[in-house]
Amino acid sequence: AQTVTQSQPEMSVQEAETVTLSCTYDTSENNYYLFWYKQPPSRQMILVIRQEAYKQQNATENRFSVNFQKAAKSFSLKISDSQLGDTAMYFCAFMNAPAGQLTFGSGTQLTVLP
Amino acid sequence: GAVVSQHPSRVICKSGTSVKIECRSLDFQATTMFWYRQFPKQSLMLMATSNEGSKATYEQGVEKDKFLINHASLTLSTLTVTSAHPEDSSFYICSARGGQSAGELFFGEGSRLTVL
Repeated sequence: AQTVTQSQPEMSVQEAETVTLSCTYDTSENNYYLFWYKQPPSRQMILVIRQEAYKQQNATENRFSVNFQKAAKSFSLKISDSQLGDTAMYFCAFMNAPAGQLTFGSGTQLTVLP
Repeated sequence: GAVVSQHPSRVICKSGTSVKIECRSLDFQATTMFWYRQFPKQSLMLMATSNEGSKATYEQGVEKDKFLINHASLTLSTLTVTSAHPEDSSFYICSARGGQSAGELFFGEGSRLTVL
């Protein structure tokens, strides 16, 4: 079974600064996907970024980028130029390819301070 | 992008009654839908996986007779909480797989159930 660990229950960052959220996972599979989801107070799950394990290049989406270290089974999320709207719970998640189910980490509550 | 609609968003019911929550894929055919439960400030816990036209697969510890899941069409899955009790109060979220996006699930808005 896969496990996903987020060791930072809460984090805060000043507006416009950069913050990195950590995630590690454990799997014996070689082909899988990794995700970061954002859950704001509305509780709607929003996909932030996705990484295919077979890709060596780190995924980026505007202000969001990941540092994917496959050998270390690490998948951190960097948020640049933090904005107040980034305040949310962030979940790291794992999925076996091609059509597995999502396994979520425990989440990191990020607060962006004005 | 793909849209998943969940209804109702909030429901309050009396203890002992049954409540049905619907999850619809609006612009794609969802071959597989997932149901999660989320307690306050906690992560999403997978309850069951449903494939269109077949019985749902429940995770260990989830009572299949209490949480009835039906996936009768490629655009609709329902979760019925039977004989609800206050401990069933929670946030329930569905997600769906389908469309053209490999390896991605699309989430509904969630349903908050409060059992009095």
